[in-house]
Amino acid sequence: NAGVMQNPRHLVRRRGQEARLRCSPMKGHSHVYWYRQLPEEGLKFMVYLQKENIIDESGMPKERFSAEFPKEGPSILRIQQVVRGDSAAYFCASSPPWGEYEQYFGPGTRLTVT
Amino acid sequence: QKEVEQNSGPLSVPEGAIASLNCTYSDRGSQSFFWYRQYSGKSPELIMFIYSNGDKEDGRFTAQLNKASQYVSLLIRDSQPSDSATYLCAANTGTASKLTFGTGTRLQVTL
Repeated sequence: NAGVMQNPRHLVRRRGQEARLRCSPMKGHSHVYWYRQLPEEGLKFMVYLQKENIIDESGMPKERFSAEFPKEGPSILRIQQVVRGDSAAYFCASSPPWGEYEQYFGPGTRLTVT
Repeated sequence: QKEVEQNSGPLSVPEGAIASLNCTYSDRGSQSFFWYRQYSGKSPELIMFIYSNGDKEDGRFTAQLNKASQYVSLLIRDSQPSDSATYLCAANTGTASKLTFGTGTRLQVTL
């Protein structure tokens, strides 16, 4: 039973480029969450999505960041015009649609902006 | 004020001892609580979750919740060097919703 999958695992972008991070939830999970972990800092919530719907984007920066979870395919976190401050580990988690909605994390994408 | 607070540590315990990790939260709307383990450079791994007052045991791990005191703890019995990691406490409202994380406690199990 595959866990949460994320790709790429490492991504290097120059300032001003776009970064696209992908996340496939665990089988049977319909809820996807994105978190960001800056170096030496805690995990911060960014956005919560269900298929074709953004449920909570209260943690998303107002500009340059967007997320989607289409009917088919993985969830995508998109960062336009990256800046050095975007360098971080981006984790995706998924949860089942029942119970305590416990979240299971993927391996993360480590974004480095040069 | 941080919503979920943890002592950053490091907490150092000898091999075989009990490690006690603590967490407090400020939002009384928090209903479910989660403990994750995170090794350096890796992703968080879910250890346990608890939503009722009292204790919940799973192998060497026991989670404790006291909603009146807004306090959650994780006990690790018979600590092993492989338990050395950062332990993250998280809370949500008991529905499918975002997790609010503490900054984590670094545990070191010494030989």
